[in-house]
Amino acid sequence: AQSVTQLGSHVSVSEGALVLLRCNYSSSVPPYLFWYVQYPNQGLQLLLKYTSAATLVKGINGFEAEFKKSETSFHLTKPSAHMSDAAEYFCAVSASGYNKLIFGAGTRLAVHP
Amino acid sequence: DGGITQSPKYLFRKEGQNVTLSCEQNLNHDAMYWYRQDPGQGLRLIYYSQIVNDFQKGDIAEGYSVSREKKESFPLTVTSAQKNPTAFYLCASSSGTGGSPEAFFGQGTRLTVV
Repeated sequence: AQSVTQLGSHVSVSEGALVLLRCNYSSSVPPYLFWYVQYPNQGLQLLLKYTSAATLVKGINGFEAEFKKSETSFHLTKPSAHMSDAAEYFCAVSASGYNKLIFGAGTRLAVHP
Repeated sequence: DGGITQSPKYLFRKEGQNVTLSCEQNLNHDAMYWYRQDPGQGLRLIYYSQIVNDFQKGDIAEGYSVSREKKESFPLTVTSAQKNPTAFYLCASSSGTGGSPEAFFGQGTRLTVV
């Protein structure tokens, strides 16, 4: 069985500051891991994915995430926040070869001037 | 233009009525999913289908029904048995077992009980 825990339901940063959104997962098989972003009243857009290749994954809009098996973590980072990054972010996990995605509760990112 | 289309974007239901949410994809994906989103609870899986004419219950299937008669279509019916249907509903698809694992999402349907 798979599960995801996102630490912090709300994160607030200043424009230009580092963004760090935390995700820990549980999986009985090697996982696929994902970060999605959601803007108000819209669907989810894929930011990046880990599929057992490189442990440091680069995504769109300057985001990246590092898979750490020993810590069962897949934290999302961006060196410098932009106002347009304000949105809700979801971490998700699925089992290799079986595509049902299990989502965390989400983290709402606020960016202030 | 490939993608997933959900309709309608907004839907109002009277208590005791069944309503059907539409989801169509032209990505040639085998797998399709329905999620429910409530504030602070993330996305919860209602039903999923990995192949035509087959589907499985997710974590919160009670009060919902689905069909998968065509590869492109996976409609969700919210029945009168669903006691608290007001929510944002998201449909997604993925290529299926062995393919690229990420899911692609539609723009959602916001259902409100009036």
